[in-house]
Amino acid sequence: GAVVSQHPSWVICKSGTSVKIECRSLDFQATTMFWYRQFPKQSLMLMATSNEGSKATYEQGVEKDKFLINHASLTLSTLTVTSAHPEDSSFYICSARGLAGGTQYFGPGTRLTVT
Amino acid sequence: QKEVEQNSGPLSVPEGAIASLNCTYSDRGSQSFFWYRQYSGKSPELIMFIYSNGDKEDGRFTAQLNKASQYVSLLIRDSQPSDSATYLCAVNDPSNTGNQFYFGTGTSLTVIP
Repeated sequence: GAVVSQHPSWVICKSGTSVKIECRSLDFQATTMFWYRQFPKQSLMLMATSNEGSKATYEQGVEKDKFLINHASLTLSTLTVTSAHPEDSSFYICSARGLAGGTQYFGPGTRLTVT
Repeated sequence: QKEVEQNSGPLSVPEGAIASLNCTYSDRGSQSFFWYRQYSGKSPELIMFIYSNGDKEDGRFTAQLNKASQYVSLLIRDSQPSDSATYLCAVNDPSNTGNQFYFGTGTSLTVIP
């Protein structure tokens, strides 16, 4: 149980384009999903907290107009990186927290490369 | 600023030995504590969580929590080369209704065959 998927697992895009990453909880309903970014050899950095049916809460320094988050259902959240630049190249990981609360379960991550 | 601190390592232990990973946290109100393992290039996977003071055992893993000292540790018995990874300590933020976690920077463990 507690499986979280992400799609795509890796993506290469050109500078200036937008990329959408999907995060799904496969066998449980997730009231809250979290989006993290991780650069090589660094720890996880929380970007935003996404609650179903409401606007995401962004961490300080994260541009909400650049990183669009939609949590349309209890099993799906999406992160769209708009007008991507090479410095947005990173490993993006989502996690989901179930209705009972507590543990966060991570998706497998999406490796984004912007050329 | 709420903090979760871990020794970044690297920590090296021989195969079959006990690996001890430590974590301290700053917020006394935190109630939930988690250990994740992250292999290079992969996302974190949950090893175990602990809520109460004392020890919690799961197979070769034992989590230890001391809220008075604001300290949580993970012991790995009979360490195997496959245990080589970065171990992340996570602590909940009790002030946040979304139940955010604060993560440590991780301890890199290498188990030498």
